[in-house]
Amino acid sequence: GAGVSQSPSNKVTEKGKDVELRCDPISGHTALYWYRQSLGQGLEFLIYFQGNSAPDKSGLPSDRFSAERTGGSVSTLTIQRTQQEDSAVYLCASSLESLAGGLGEKTQYFGPGTRLLVL
Amino acid sequence: AQSVTQPDIHITVSEGASLELRCNYSYGATPYLFWYVQSPGQGLQLLLKYFSGDTLVQGIKGFEAEFKRSQSSFNLRKPSVHWSDAAEYFCAVGAGNTGKLIFGQGTTLQVKP
Repeated sequence: GAGVSQSPSNKVTEKGKDVELRCDPISGHTALYWYRQSLGQGLEFLIYFQGNSAPDKSGLPSDRFSAERTGGSVSTLTIQRTQQEDSAVYLCASSLESLAGGLGEKTQYFGPGTRLLVL
Repeated sequence: AQSVTQPDIHITVSEGASLELRCNYSYGATPYLFWYVQSPGQGLQLLLKYFSGDTLVQGIKGFEAEFKRSQSSFNLRKPSVHWSDAAEYFCAVGAGNTGKLIFGQGTTLQVKP
């Protein structure tokens, strides 16, 4: 079946502009994660959505970063007033994690990422 | 705090040689562990995972990993490397109820013909 998809695949923007990155998780997956991959910091967790629960935003680096998940499916990561240090690959992942499920459902499947370059 | 260490930033092996990539973790409870592979310009592909049970787990592409609680390690192995295995490999530990992953810094594998 279809995997996790992300759009755009590449985004070039100017410093100070806002950007929106989109993630379509695997159909039926209740959990959705955003990560950032940068040269200096490696792979970092940003935010986690699970069903109707309040998201875990503990990894967001500043209040310029926000994310939402509409209808328990598609998610959008928004970066306001972008800075050059925001340049990175933004990866989305989803996992099944049903209420009755076991640990195996915590396996995360990743999308191809969005490469963001802030000039 | 949870952490993952991959001591080798870069490894070069000859095609057909055996491979072992090291991973050490720090986690207060029973961890669940993953290895992912990333080819240039691609996302992360799951190689294998450990949640419980048999400490030797088999994955795709002929990879296996062994969980050693006493050593806090989860090393990845392959008996015979192929040129197509050249990529970056990430070890990760699942942290807490949220399931967010803590990643190591990655090991870049180069394969010599």
